Amino acid sequence: DAGITQSPRYKITETGRQVTLMCHQTWSHSYMFWYRQDLGHGLRLIYYSAAADITDKGEVPDGYVVSRSKTENFPLTLESATRSQTSVYFCASSVYRGETQYFGPGTRLLVL
Amino acid sequence: GENVEQHPSTLSVQEGDSAVIKCTYSDSASNYFPWYKQELGKRPQLIIDIRSNVGEKKDQRIAVTLNKTAKHFSLHITETQPEDSAVYFCAASITGSARQLTFGSGTQLTVLP
Repeated sequence: DAGITQSPRYKITETGRQVTLMCHQTWSHSYMFWYRQDLGHGLRLIYYSAAADITDKGEVPDGYVVSRSKTENFPLTLESATRSQTSVYFCASSVYRGETQYFGPGTRLLVL
Repeated sequence: GENVEQHPSTLSVQEGDSAVIKCTYSDSASNYFPWYKQELGKRPQLIIDIRSNVGEKKDQRIAVTLNKTAKHFSLHITETQPEDSAVYFCAASITGSARQLTFGSGTQLTVLP
């Protein structure tokens, strides 16, 4: 479990501000994912990446930007935070396509 | 794309009883079915998985069964304990394909002492 970390663990920001959530994994997994989890909605995929410099949209990508310049890092940026983006954000990684995903500890984001 | 439906959304059982959570999937090509447990305030963690070439898999008090014909798979927890209380998610995917895991909506299991 220590192989995938997220920072910060808690974040409070204001509407309109830019926020970046960090995800770092030490397993050299090819695939990385960002999910948001809201009460009543389970896990919703925001973006994923198959390798460095390869990213693709998930179910709910609007308002988010990702990059992956290095295999081990997959930051998620909220360009102009909105209250509807208040959520718990989980990063995950997997070795192969469509295989087991391992989740980070999550970041709780509150947008005021 | 794949659609995974999970039932029930909430489940309460007495300690020591069994609990069963069922998921149905829509894409007959799906061949990998993991189950995750998420305790309150924690990350989802894999507890068991099954592949389409296997009908059942057990790990101590936990078992998963797969019915490919009916396109459903189930999580069985026997001799439930208070520490089994959590949200459980099922998921489905086609290994090696571009489509990633599709998650069910989750089941809140409460084990009553």
